Amino acid sequence: EAQVTQNPRYLITVTGKKLTVTCSQNMNHEYMSWYRQDPGLGLRQIYYSMNVEVTDKGDVPEGYKVSRKEKRNFPLILESPSPNQTSLYFCASNPGGIGSYEQYFGPGTRLTVT
Amino acid sequence: GNSVTQMEGPVTLSEEAFLTINCTYTATGYPSLFWYVQYPGEGLQLLLKATKADDKGSNKGFEATYRKETTSFHLEKGSVQVSDSAVYFCALSDPGGGADGLTFGKGTHLIIQP
Repeated sequence: EAQVTQNPRYLITVTGKKLTVTCSQNMNHEYMSWYRQDPGLGLRQIYYSMNVEVTDKGDVPEGYKVSRKEKRNFPLILESPSPNQTSLYFCASNPGGIGSYEQYFGPGTRLTVT
Repeated sequence: GNSVTQMEGPVTLSEEAFLTINCTYTATGYPSLFWYVQYPGEGLQLLLKATKADDKGSNKGFEATYRKETTSFHLEKGSVQVSDSAVYFCALSDPGGGADGLTFGKGTHLIIQP
């Protein structure tokens, strides 16, 4: 089954404790992105990647890191989480190329930072 | 830059009522337009899309027409069901490609009462 998977689905942590949210897609997609969803703000892009070792900042990159060492994986790293990073996070992928604009989303990771 | 404006809701309707969720956009060039749906506890799923002016996207009884003259992409359904209760997001992609993701509206929470 073609899908984007994220782990963990739920995470409660404390301020300053480094964490990683994994994302993997099995569709051989070129492009991958991370979004956060907050009430009243909709979805905002954090980082995106056009291919292995190619990443760029989205609209709200502060406090986050990403890496793309393999085509299928795109982990989101919070080196020192803070309470304002409490949010619902989505990973997404798309095939890339002209006309490939549809994003395929993972199920989401609900993060709480206390 | 690009932006999407949609009614935020919540929108509460009775089963079998007619639904319209308004969406307007600001973008340079000719973006592709999307409606995504998020059911409780799940990620976003593509509902329908349109890639050029006057295109009509349709799926599961929902329709939306790409209106360039009014920069709109309103979502409609003739007879809603309780199972349509969800959050609906209007989105656009930059005409240059999909790598840097989608620009989303803030989402409209739809509640259908039996």
